[in-house]
Amino acid sequence: GAVVSQHPSWVICKSGTSVKIECRSLDFQATTMFWYRQFPKQSLMLMATSNEGSKATYEQGVEKDKFLINHASLTLSTLTVTSAHPEDSSFYICSARTSRSYEQYFGPGTRLTVT
Amino acid sequence: AQKITQTQPGMFVQEKEAVTLDCTYDTSDQSYGLFWYKQPSSGEMIFLIYQGSYDEQNATEGRYSLNFQKARKSANLVISASQLGDSAMYFCAMRSLTGGGNKLTFGTGTQLKVEL
Repeated sequence: GAVVSQHPSWVICKSGTSVKIECRSLDFQATTMFWYRQFPKQSLMLMATSNEGSKATYEQGVEKDKFLINHASLTLSTLTVTSAHPEDSSFYICSARTSRSYEQYFGPGTRLTVT
Repeated sequence: AQKITQTQPGMFVQEKEAVTLDCTYDTSDQSYGLFWYKQPSSGEMIFLIYQGSYDEQNATEGRYSLNFQKARKSANLVISASQLGDSAMYFCAMRSLTGGGNKLTFGTGTQLKVEL
């Protein structure tokens, strides 16, 4: 149990376009979902926390208008990178947790390359 | 603010040997949780082990054990009988358990390589 999926697993897009990444909890209801960004050989940096039905809480330094997060249901959160630039190229990982568990369940990640 | 420090950017261990990955933390919270995750080259984050700040016993999960020394604020991961498949990046993380805290704070990671 406790499986989180991400789609797509990798995406290449042109500079200036937008790309949407989906994060789904497959067998549990996620009250909270998290979006992380990871550069090569670096740690995970939390971008934002989203609770179902409410606006996401962004970490300091993360542009809300550039990284749009929507947590539309208890099983789905989306991250949209708007007007992508090459510096947005990174590995994006989501995680999810329920209110009853201390554990966060991570998705497999999405590798974004902006050309 | 919470901080996790992993001072070993890379470690080598021989197959079947035990290895300890260091993790120290800093927090003003009284109630918190400590986690270890494994990240192979595929990128997925694999949960290994959890220790609560009020747990008196050190956590163990199969070949993984957490050497929790609260007074020293350390939570080292011990992997016994290393296997080639243990080669990966390992992250220590913590989360406050007070006030419904959600955020996981990660360390910088340790790259472990298991050799024959």
